[in-house]
Amino acid sequence: KAGVTQTPRYLIKTRGQQVTLSCSPISGHRSVSWYQQTPGQGLQFLFEYFSETQRNKGNFPGRFSGRQFSNSRSEMNVSTLELGDSALYLCASSAARPDTDTQYFGPGTRLTVL
Amino acid sequence: GDSVTQMEGPVTLSEEAFLTINCTYTATGYPSLFWYVQYPGEGLQLLLKATKADDKGSNKGFEATYRKETTSFHLEKGSVQVSDSAVYFCALSDRSGGTALIFGKGTTLSVSS
Repeated sequence: KAGVTQTPRYLIKTRGQQVTLSCSPISGHRSVSWYQQTPGQGLQFLFEYFSETQRNKGNFPGRFSGRQFSNSRSEMNVSTLELGDSALYLCASSAARPDTDTQYFGPGTRLTVL
Repeated sequence: GDSVTQMEGPVTLSEEAFLTINCTYTATGYPSLFWYVQYPGEGLQLLLKATKADDKGSNKGFEATYRKETTSFHLEKGSVQVSDSAVYFCALSDRSGGTALIFGKGTTLSVSS
């Protein structure tokens, strides 16, 4: 079974721009979560989508948003980019119950904001 | 709120040495506990998990036991290899209506031959 895929793998943007990252979950997985990884703050939860609905949200500003499509693929968007948004953005998927809380991660998208 | 505390790294060991990476947690409910590993330039790989007290997770020679009385989930391996060099993350999921993971800061392990 193919793993979680994320595109693009690397991205360079300038301050003020916006960016969209994409995630395709493992086949059959309905939950997709997004995380931000930085050297200073570590791994932080952004949000989770399940059946096209946001089920959970972390403590990030409204510039960070996401959505999920009917095929469970997910996108996250960051508007008005700031230098501090430079990070590795990781997507994770998980199956429906009973194995709901085991998340499988993609390779990440490395975003650099100049 | 819930939190995870890991021992500070880096941890430097010789091949075949015994490994322990300490992890303690704070949670109001009964979380699931995980260890993930991250190799350079890659995402996170699930190493092992435990979902209730006294459960032992194991994989690839790594083990960790869910200790509710000490709120700990220490990672151990009897004999490390150079290929085990990576960053290890302890995490919990409180399962309160979602699957959000709360991670520790990570511990870098470096194994030399």
